[in-house]
Amino acid sequence: QLVLTQSPSASASLGASVKLTCTLSSGHSNYAIAWHQQQPGKGPRYLMKLNTDGSHNKGDGIPDRFSGSSSGSERYLTISSLQSEDEADYYCQTWGTGLWVFGGGTKLTVL
Amino acid sequence: EVQLVESGGGLVQPGGSVRLSCAASGFTFSSYVMQWVRQAPGKGLEYVSAISSNGGTTYYANSVKGRFTISRDNSKNTLYLQMGSLRAEDMAVYFCARDGKPFDYWGQGTLVTVSS
Repeated sequence: QLVLTQSPSASASLGASVKLTCTLSSGHSNYAIAWHQQQPGKGPRYLMKLNTDGSHNKGDGIPDRFSGSSSGSERYLTISSLQSEDEADYYCQTWGTGLWVFGGGTKLTVL
Repeated sequence: EVQLVESGGGLVQPGGSVRLSCAASGFTFSSYVMQWVRQAPGKGLEYVSAISSNGGTTYYANSVKGRFTISRDNSKNTLYLQMGSLRAEDMAVYFCARDGKPFDYWGQGTLVTVSS
């Protein structure tokens, strides 16, 4: 079964960097994923598509502070130079034929 | 500029029905798979339903299969979700999304409240 696992919460200081993790279930390490950001009270915003080799394609207007990387079944979202507006929920998502799956989301707190 | 604008949400009684709409602009609507995703209060994102670019193929999450119907009108650049036999657990904000593999544009959502 295709499942994405994310830590429920993370925190980091203003101006620092943070690395969020999304783990693909066993047997699914060859799946690409997407990262989405949801600020409080808003709809989700597409950040990037992250491939198995770590290459990524960002959405329109996504700053260079956001980057992605991959290792095995893990997919990462790194946010550098944290700003207050980065405080949000971050969801990973993957897909197959007739199948779409979201991770449970990580709530990022900027201290 | 790509825009997706949902409408049609509101208060519905348990067992009732409602139809959501998603008006699309800024891209060739008929070229894309479109999606509905929902978010219950305080919860994460949950895939609901998808429809192929020409409307010929539809997909549903098990939780809504047999109760919800997705459709589209490519002449009106509009996506629909007909929701029936509504339950308390269907209460959520419903988002439409363009599926550019992955979901690359989202609407702002419309709230469906199921309560007597």
